[in-house]
Amino acid sequence: NAGVTQTPKFRVLKTGQSMTLLCAQDMNHEYMYWYRQDPGMGLRLIHYSVGEGTTAKGEVPDGYNVSRLKKQNFLLGLESAAPSQTSVYFCASSYGISNQPQHFGDGTRLSIL
Amino acid sequence: GEDVEQSLFLSVREGDSSVINCTYTDSSSTYLYWYKQEPGAGLQLLTYIFSNMDMKQDQRLTVLLNKKDKHLSLRIADTQTGDSAIYFCAESRTDSWGKLQFGAGTQVVVTP
Repeated sequence: NAGVTQTPKFRVLKTGQSMTLLCAQDMNHEYMYWYRQDPGMGLRLIHYSVGEGTTAKGEVPDGYNVSRLKKQNFLLGLESAAPSQTSVYFCASSYGISNQPQHFGDGTRLSIL
Repeated sequence: GEDVEQSLFLSVREGDSSVINCTYTDSSSTYLYWYKQEPGAGLQLLTYIFSNMDMKQDQRLTVLLNKKDKHLSLRIADTQTGDSAIYFCAESRTDSWGKLQFGAGTQVVVTP
């Protein structure tokens, strides 16, 4: 079972460049999430999706866009990367019911120079 | 406030018990989770407890919940070097089901 797969695993960008992070899950989960993890701050929710074709803002959405064109995929885009977006990005998915836990990918380490 | 708070660091000797503490502020929380993150990896669900329970035991792991004080703890019995990791407490609330509020994580270091 692949679970939640994130690509790429590492990336270095220059300020102003754009890129898309891909998340894929094979568990038929309705809900998908993008988090960023910064030292001493735990995980903060960027955007999430409660189903195919839907997206919603989380705690720190500015500077990011997302799309959920297919149920199994959730894309996170940075249109114009900034050094403040240097972080580790995690994707997660779940059935969306409160007693069903979120399953996480291994993360994407992104550095913006 | 909406913060989930944890102590940042815990050092424990191999074979001893570890206790990681967490406080949360939202009384409407339904499920409380403990995740483990090893270096360079994602978050692995360890265990979770429903808010109407006081305790849950799963092999070496014991979760205690004091709902009155909004205090959650994770006890790891017979701590091993493989238990060295960051442990995150998270709450899932009835008003935002499916979304989790995470603590900052507790770095647990197990020494021989």
